[in-house]
Amino acid sequence: GENVEQHPSTLSVQEGDSAVIKCTYSDSASNYFPWYKQELGKRPQLIIDIRSNVGEKKDQRIAVTLNKTAKHFSLHITETQPEDSAVYFCAASPTSYDKVIFGPGTSLSVIP
Amino acid sequence: GAGVSQTPSNKVTEKGKYVELRCDPISGHTALYWYRQSLGQGPEFLIYFQGTGAADDSGLPNDRFFAVRPEGSVSTLKIQRTERGDSAVYLCASSTRRGLAGSYNEQFFGPGTRLTVL
Repeated sequence: GENVEQHPSTLSVQEGDSAVIKCTYSDSASNYFPWYKQELGKRPQLIIDIRSNVGEKKDQRIAVTLNKTAKHFSLHITETQPEDSAVYFCAASPTSYDKVIFGPGTSLSVIP
Repeated sequence: GAGVSQTPSNKVTEKGKYVELRCDPISGHTALYWYRQSLGQGPEFLIYFQGTGAADDSGLPNDRFFAVRPEGSVSTLKIQRTERGDSAVYLCASSTRRGLAGSYNEQFFGPGTRLTVL
């Protein structure tokens, strides 16, 4: 089955700096890669997603890149703000409407 | 509109007891997913329903776990003979599952049920 790895497990950045989280997946059949943000004690929320026929996608301060050959994908957050502090999960799925396999998470702290 | 709701929000039980966890999806969402999240880890897939039927139950850890969705809306996750290792937050999510080429299918999560087995 699919296995998603994620690093770093913790990340601390100064406000205004960029943050990068990297993930790898194992199943070449995976075709859909969502990213979720989970604040302490709250539910996961989708922040951006990308499909395998696209190499990069951007939404304001957030961008994702996908290298399907290498089975790597990354989340980039620019101009970080304290409210970006949370745990971020990358995930992979065979289709956009199938089960989602999550990575172990990255705890991001943005220091004011 | 109302989001995904789950009841109870917290459940404390004793080892060996039976528990039921309920999920009310967003109205009109045909797909429903159960995940389990242990402390410090990502959500772990358990089972996925499309309508009333289980489309994929490959994540259920053993036969003590069972889920139903008899009318294609509310779902109940049932755990028999609970063990301390079952302690976790159980998350439910729902989506429209349009399944059309080029369409996306965001999974909306509920607040979870925190299960503690003593």
